[in-house]
Amino acid sequence: DAGITQSPRHKVTETGTPVTLRCHQTENHRYMYWYRQDPGHGLRLIHYSYGVKDTDKGEVSDGYSVSRSKTEDFLLTLESATSSQTSVYFCAIRETAGGHYEQYFGPGTRLTVT
Amino acid sequence: KQEVTQIPAALSVPEGENLVLNCSFTDSAIYNLQWFRQDPGKGLTSLLLIQSSQREQTSGRLNASLDKSSGRSTLYIAASQPGDSATYLCAMRDANAGKSTFGDGTTLTVKP
Repeated sequence: DAGITQSPRHKVTETGTPVTLRCHQTENHRYMYWYRQDPGHGLRLIHYSYGVKDTDKGEVSDGYSVSRSKTEDFLLTLESATSSQTSVYFCAIRETAGGHYEQYFGPGTRLTVT
Repeated sequence: KQEVTQIPAALSVPEGENLVLNCSFTDSAIYNLQWFRQDPGKGLTSLLLIQSSQREQTSGRLNASLDKSSGRSTLYIAASQPGDSATYLCAMRDANAGKSTFGDGTTLTVKP
C-alpha cells in the first residue's frame, strides 16, 4: 500500500459540467500519474507529474487538465465533461528503490457522464 | 508505438492446476515489466516487477519471466486457488520514453 487515496470514488455528472478528481498520497513521491481504464483499451495515460507544478501530457490528454500545487495532491479536471469520458480513473505513483521504478495504484474513481 | 498484448483474454481452470499467462510486447527497448492483479471494482495490485537485466522473479506461487529477444513475458501460477480469480495485467515500461504501456489483461477464473 503506497498510501494513495482518490476522491470521490464514484461520481455521476451531466454533459458539459466541469469535474475535478483528486489523488492524494502520503509518502512524498515525486512522480504521479492519471490513467483511465476502458474495456478494450486497457489503461491509458492521461497526464503525469514529475514534481510540484511540473506536469506533462500522456496519450489521451485532450479534454483534461491537471494541477499539482503540492507534492501530496494531483488533481485531474475535466473541463466540460462528455459521455466519452465515462470511465474508471486511476491515480498512480512511481516508487523509486535502488534505482528501479515501480508503479502503485489508487483504488480508482468511477465517473459516469450522462 | 509500443503495443502490449495479452492472450488469452479469459481463462477458466479447475482448482489446483498450474497455469501460464502470456504478455507480448513489440519494442525490445524495455526498462522493466510489471505484473498486476485487479479484482472487480478495485485498483491494481502490483505482483511482480522484472527489470530488463533480469530473467525472472518469484513471489510465493507466482513466477514471472522475461525474454526480451522474443518480446515476451509469462506469469506462472502454481497450484491455482479460487482466490486467484481476478484480471491479471502486464505493463511494459519503455526504456526510451520512460512511460508504461498496459495490456488489456487476462481474466482468470479458478473453479473449486
